[in-house]
Amino acid sequence: DGGITQSPKYLFRKEGQNVTLSCEQNLNHDAMYWYRQDPGQGLRLIYYSQIVNDFQKGDIAEGYSVSREKKESFPLTVTSAQKNPTAFYLCASTRSRGHNEQFFGPGTRLTVL
Amino acid sequence: GDSVTQMEGPVTLSEEACLTINCTYTATGYPSLFWYVQYPGEGLQLLLKATKADDKGSNKGFEATYRKETTSFHLEKGSVQVSDSAVYFCALSGYYGQNFVFGPGTRLSVLP
Repeated sequence: DGGITQSPKYLFRKEGQNVTLSCEQNLNHDAMYWYRQDPGQGLRLIYYSQIVNDFQKGDIAEGYSVSREKKESFPLTVTSAQKNPTAFYLCASTRSRGHNEQFFGPGTRLTVL
Repeated sequence: GDSVTQMEGPVTLSEEACLTINCTYTATGYPSLFWYVQYPGEGLQLLLKATKADDKGSNKGFEATYRKETTSFHLEKGSVQVSDSAVYFCALSGYYGQNFVFGPGTRLSVLP
């Protein structure tokens, strides 16, 4: 079955550590996105990529980094510069052209200890 | 820029009650409109969509009609169930997938 996978589902990090969240899709989608969701809140866009080897900052990119070396993969690194990283992180993808919905992964819950 | 506004939650209903969650949008051109649902601890799932004016999206008893004249896409269900308790997000997208914009979400609780 086609879809988006995120790993791990739960992640714990000590303050000052970088951590990388995985996002993989086998939908052959061009565009991929990372969102942050805080408890009881909506989605905030961190980064997005519409093509391999290219990505753009979203609304809250500070303290995060991404890469897009392969079409199916869009990992997110939460760096020590992110002051409040505890949140639920969602990855999504879509075809770039046409009236297309975003497909979401199951999410990764990151907790800083 | 493009934006989506949803009614404030939480919304609490008794089982078998009627549901309406209001959604209005501001966008250039002719966006596609979507409703997503998020169950606790999970990602978002597409509930329904509409790609042009007067289209009606429907799924699992939920419906929404793309009203260009009122720039609205209200979500409706005639009889809610406890299992419908979740957060509902209205969203829009331009033709090229750019500017995918989500509303703030509306939490629905259905009591038995």
